[in-house]
Amino acid sequence: NAGVMQNPRHLVRRRGQEARLRCSPMKGHSHVYWYRQLPEEGLKFMVYLQKENIIDESGMPKERFSAEFPKEGPSILRIQQVVRGDSAAYFCASSEGVNTEAFFGQGTRLTVV
Amino acid sequence: RKEVEQDPGPFNVPEGATVAFNCTYSNSASQSFFWYRQDCRKEPKLLMSVYSSGNEDGRFTAQLNRASQYISLLIRDSKLSDSATYLCVVNIRSARQLTFGSGTQLTVLP
Repeated sequence: NAGVMQNPRHLVRRRGQEARLRCSPMKGHSHVYWYRQLPEEGLKFMVYLQKENIIDESGMPKERFSAEFPKEGPSILRIQQVVRGDSAAYFCASSEGVNTEAFFGQGTRLTVV
Repeated sequence: RKEVEQDPGPFNVPEGATVAFNCTYSNSASQSFFWYRQDCRKEPKLLMSVYSSGNEDGRFTAQLNRASQYISLLIRDSKLSDSATYLCVVNIRSARQLTFGSGTQLTVLP
């Protein structure tokens, strides 16, 4: 049973470009969480999704950021018109249910130059 | 007040020492509790879930006190490999997200 898979592991984008981060949850998991971690800081919640539904996006910036978890395929976190401040590690986690343990992918490290 | 607060740290302890971390949470409707560890620049990894009756896994013991709204993690006989940041995590059903504490850094010294 493969763990949570994120790709790419490292992503470099120029200011103004778009970044697409992918997350495939563990088999049997239908709950996906996205977190952002800035250097030397803690994990900040961004969005919680179930298949085809955004359940809680209270941590996501209102502009430029969007997330989806389609019926088929991975969850996608999309950042449009990236800025230097978007440089961070983005972690995805998945769980089987609402109150169960979540398991993390290895993260995508986004660098905006 | 933060939803989940942890000991500020950092903790620097010698090998073989016993170290304890505390974590308090503000929402009495919190339902599930976990400890994760995060090594430098790596993903958080589940260390253990925390049950009402308390639970132990080898050198690690987790306790939950619902009345005082805190959880604790005790590490006995510390190893160098225990050096990491320990994250307290709380799941509040109404919030529908896992809320992380800011973490406590542990360094075990030879």
